[in-house]
Amino acid sequence: GDSVTQTEGQVALSEEDFLTIHCNYSASGYPTLFWYVQYPGEGPQLLFRASRDKEKGSSRGFEATYDKGTTSFHLRKASVQESDSAVYYCALSDRQGTGSKLSFGKGAKLTVSP
Amino acid sequence: GPKVLQIPSHQIIDMGQMVTLNCDPVSNHLYFYWYKQILGQQMEFLVNFYNGKVMEKSKLFKDQFSVERPDGSYFTLKIQPTALEDSAVYFCASSLVGYEQYFGPGTRLTVL
Repeated sequence: GDSVTQTEGQVALSEEDFLTIHCNYSASGYPTLFWYVQYPGEGPQLLFRASRDKEKGSSRGFEATYDKGTTSFHLRKASVQESDSAVYYCALSDRQGTGSKLSFGKGAKLTVSP
Repeated sequence: GPKVLQIPSHQIIDMGQMVTLNCDPVSNHLYFYWYKQILGQQMEFLVNFYNGKVMEKSKLFKDQFSVERPDGSYFTLKIQPTALEDSAVYFCASSLVGYEQYFGPGTRLTVL
């Protein structure tokens, strides 16, 4: 079945550091890829998504590019802030349609120190 | 932004009892979902629901699980009877059209 792999469980950075969180996927066809962010006490909220090869999603300074060749959708941000501390989930939806289920990675907990 | 509410935030029950988890989705949303997350593991899809019917369910959605949304009110997940392995955080989500699912803060279920 479909799956998402995130290799970093915990990421510790200082403010203004560069962030990379890796995401690789396994799915048949052309999945839609997502990044979600979860703050303490809240549910995951959508950062952005991408549906086509080479499409870049972005929001709040975060970005990721859909790469079908390497089956990746790595999250990057040039300069993190303390307020970016949260858990980041990569996810995919395998069907082009409304109401499709999401398959999540394990999440990466980002802690940014001032 | 739109909010999904979940009641209660934490529920502790004895194994074998029935439990109902309540979700108040975004008011004009049409699609509803439940996900399960065991501590330290990834969030996994349980079931989705549209127009009064289950669209798809995963192998985690055991026979003891049921969902309903009577009269357009709460979207509920009922587990009867509960088992120890049902201990987890359960997230409800809803969506209107397209891909954006809005998640609630979760209900932590502890089965003793």
